[in-house]
Amino acid sequence: GAVVSQHPSWVICKSGTSVKIECRSLDFQATTMFWYRQFPKQSLMLMATSNEGSKATYEQGVEKDKFLINHASLTLSTLTVTSAHPEDSSFYICSARTERGLNGYTFGSGTRLTVV
Amino acid sequence: GIQVEQSPPDLILQEGANSTLRCNFSDSVNNLQWFHQNPWGQLINLFYIPSGTKQNGRLSATTVATERYSLLYISSSQTTDSGVYFCAESELIFGAGTRLAVHP
Repeated sequence: GAVVSQHPSWVICKSGTSVKIECRSLDFQATTMFWYRQFPKQSLMLMATSNEGSKATYEQGVEKDKFLINHASLTLSTLTVTSAHPEDSSFYICSARTERGLNGYTFGSGTRLTVV
Repeated sequence: GIQVEQSPPDLILQEGANSTLRCNFSDSVNNLQWFHQNPWGQLINLFYIPSGTKQNGRLSATTVATERYSLLYISSSQTTDSGVYFCAESELIFGAGTRLAVHP
């Protein structure tokens, strides 16, 4: 079945540094990927929609200059948290629609980011 | 925008019990989904169910679009069913989730 690989699974970084999270579709082409943020015991909040070969679409309130998204190929999307601060600490999750379109989504295993 | 409300927020079951989780939405939805997040954070898409009923093993879901709600049924629950169940309008709007704990 469709698999999305997300790395790293966890990362600790110092305040002010940048962190890159990768999301790869292993056995299918993902023209569209989604990035979410999830705070402890809360729901998923869609941050942005990543489209291969074009600029990402950000949800209201998400700073595009802080959360840089690149989707340069059909199998790879990256999220870079720039100048991270402790309030950026969260669980970040990517997902992709499978070939079944709205009938199916495949999620990465998530990245737990801790900014100290 | 659309509001998605889930109930109950928390549920504790003994292994083997059945349960019903509910999702109410404030407006018409076209792409209702149910997801399960296990205790380690991994999410799985359970159902795409804009209307009608679907079944997959011990799980089934029913959406009554005209009355703006959807139900997820878990029968003969197992400890591996523990986690959080979310309903969502496609990939956009997630409910707050129902946190399920199944004890042996």
